[in-house]
Amino acid sequence: QLQLQESGPGLVKSSETLSLTCTVSGGSISNSYYYWGWIRQPPGKGLEWIGSIYYSGSSYSNPSLKSRVTISEDTSKNQFSLRLSSVTAADTAVYYCASQSDATRDFSYWGQGTLVTVSS
Amino acid sequence: QSALTQPASVSGSPGQSITISCTGTSSDVGGYNYVSWYQQHPGKAPKLMIYGVNSRPSGVPDRFSGSKSGNTASLTISGLQAEDEADYYCSSYTSSSKWVFGGGTKLTVL
Repeated sequence: QLQLQESGPGLVKSSETLSLTCTVSGGSISNSYYYWGWIRQPPGKGLEWIGSIYYSGSSYSNPSLKSRVTISEDTSKNQFSLRLSSVTAADTAVYYCASQSDATRDFSYWGQGTLVTVSS
Repeated sequence: QSALTQPASVSGSPGQSITISCTGTSSDVGGYNYVSWYQQHPGKAPKLMIYGVNSRPSGVPDRFSGSKSGNTASLTISGLQAEDEADYYCSSYTSSSKWVFGGGTKLTVL
């Protein structure tokens, strides 16, 4: 069974870049026909899809965030990463990483989430 | 892309059945059989409960079921139990490798 774990700074200053890494165990991120995604949840609010990277290396992101989002992978470490630039207080949220099967297009396995606070 | 529309809250008594709706458009819910549902308890990560509109992952009780009609998907929980009290989110694949979530529904077991 896949296990995912987010890591990164819990505090980021406004206008700077948020960087998070998701480490995957129990399977390879190079597995064919898998996406690896990022989702966030502001305090007390709902879930928002940020973006995903396909096993081939192609990345996709939410149009509302597209210009600020970069998703990359490091297959040697079995990790994928999120960079969100020019952050504001509105980017304060719990950030989750998740696996997505191409066959079912759902978010099958989730990390425990990490809270990132943007400070002024 | 706009969030899918869910009721903010639903409630039911133990043993009863409840249904949560999830309304989208022909570009997401209505266009693909890739609707999934997630259960989230406070302070926890979401858990996949339904995928592919009406399929249950291993370990999810058969009290949970999903369906879809046109642009609206539904999650039904029968034989409501106290531990079902949680927030529930729907999600749908849209076009071009993009996804959208619903706003979430708080289920209260009375």
